[in-house]
Amino acid sequence: EAGVTQFPSHSVIEKGQTVTLRCDPISGHDNLYWYRRVMGKEIKFLLHFVKESKQDESGMPNNRFLAERTGGTYSTLKVQPAELEDSGVYFCASSQRGSGNTEAFFGQGTRLTVV
Amino acid sequence: AQSVTQLDSQVPVFEEAPVELRCNYSSSVSVYLFWYVQYPNQGLQLLLKYLSGSTLVKSINGFEAEFNKSQTSFHLRKPSVHISDTAEYFCAVRKISSGSARQLTFGSGTQLTVLP
Repeated sequence: EAGVTQFPSHSVIEKGQTVTLRCDPISGHDNLYWYRRVMGKEIKFLLHFVKESKQDESGMPNNRFLAERTGGTYSTLKVQPAELEDSGVYFCASSQRGSGNTEAFFGQGTRLTVV
Repeated sequence: AQSVTQLDSQVPVFEEAPVELRCNYSSSVSVYLFWYVQYPNQGLQLLLKYLSGSTLVKSINGFEAEFNKSQTSFHLRKPSVHISDTAEYFCAVRKISSGSARQLTFGSGTQLTVLP
């Protein structure tokens, strides 16, 4: 069974450009999460989808970030325009719908560098 | 709101020595507790978790963690480490909720380096 897959693994872009990160969750997982780790700091929650609906986007830093989950399958996270402080590792995770103790499975992350 | 503190950012230890990675949390509500591990060039993997019941939980590769409610701690221990345990370890909590708030709150991570 394939795990959570993220594309690309690395991205280097210039300030002001647009970048789109993609996450393919484990098949059948209704819950999909985005997290971000800025260098050396804690991994922070960005948002949570249940199927195609945004359940909680309280962690999104500002309106330059747009997340979508088409048809409740894969998700994209677009940063437009990118700023230097957006650099970090973006993780995606998915879990089955069910009780609150279901395990979240993480992807390898996308390392974004804005120069 | 919840917060997690991992007191040590770097822990170097010699092979076959014991290790303890410290984790303290703060929360106004009851939480589940987790340890995740990230090996080089890999994603986060769940190492072990405390949901309820026995306060001592163990992983398949020899790590264990004990939930201490009075001290709000969930320290990770291993009596004898191997080179292959070199990785970054993250402590995390999640609110016990039947609702939709299922996100994890992480600590800043502890890099464990096992030296030969």
